[in-house]
Amino acid sequence: EVQLVESGGGLVQPGRSLRLSCTTSGFIFAETSISWFRQAPEKGLEWLGVVRAKPYGGASEYAASVKGRFTISRDDSKSVAYLQMDSLKTEDTALYHCSTHITGPGSRWFDPWGQGTLVTVSS
Amino acid sequence: DIQMTQSPSSLSASVGDRVIITCRASQNINNYLNWYQHKPGKAPKLLMYTASSLQNGVPSRFSGSGSGTDFTLIISSLQPEDFATYYCLQTKNTPHTFGQGTKLEIK
Repeated sequence: EVQLVESGGGLVQPGRSLRLSCTTSGFIFAETSISWFRQAPEKGLEWLGVVRAKPYGGASEYAASVKGRFTISRDDSKSVAYLQMDSLKTEDTALYHCSTHITGPGSRWFDPWGQGTLVTVSS
Repeated sequence: DIQMTQSPSSLSASVGDRVIITCRASQNINNYLNWYQHKPGKAPKLLMYTASSLQNGVPSRFSGSGSGTDFTLIISSLQPEDFATYYCLQTKNTPHTFGQGTKLEIK
């Protein structure tokens, strides 16, 4: 069974940093790209970025809202993806989820998702 | 960036009703369109991928259609467990973008 579990959330002051982990099992992690998403209170879902698997180049891409502040990385030896969040702002308060990329003929989707880890940015 | 316009933003309906949610992309996304069901504090659940393919385990009362820029999610007969928020997501290009969501409430 494919499983993803996010961890590392908590209360942090504005301007500080936090690193989230996405611990996975049940699939070949080294061949799978991983994306991070979030949902802020009373807001919709937002894609934050992706770290591609090495067979697909291994690079990361980001949404404009987090580019330059957030870094997504992976450790294939541990089957874990990370979201390093720097210079946090109050508007980064959200439930953060990770998910796997699945690619089919002429399409791409994300499934399953983890339950999420809550990040609260407040002084 | 590709903009996804989803409507309606909210909808009140009764058990047994037929519900239609639409999503329009600002440019051609072929069939790179997913539908998700989301309940508060839970992981979003994939309902449809490739616009019209039903994910394993999802009831057949859910269906999807469309291609290019216009897409539809239909729930043929609402059940109590279907009251949730629904999102479309385009995966043609990065940044991947969601519609604004449709909150489905009990009438």
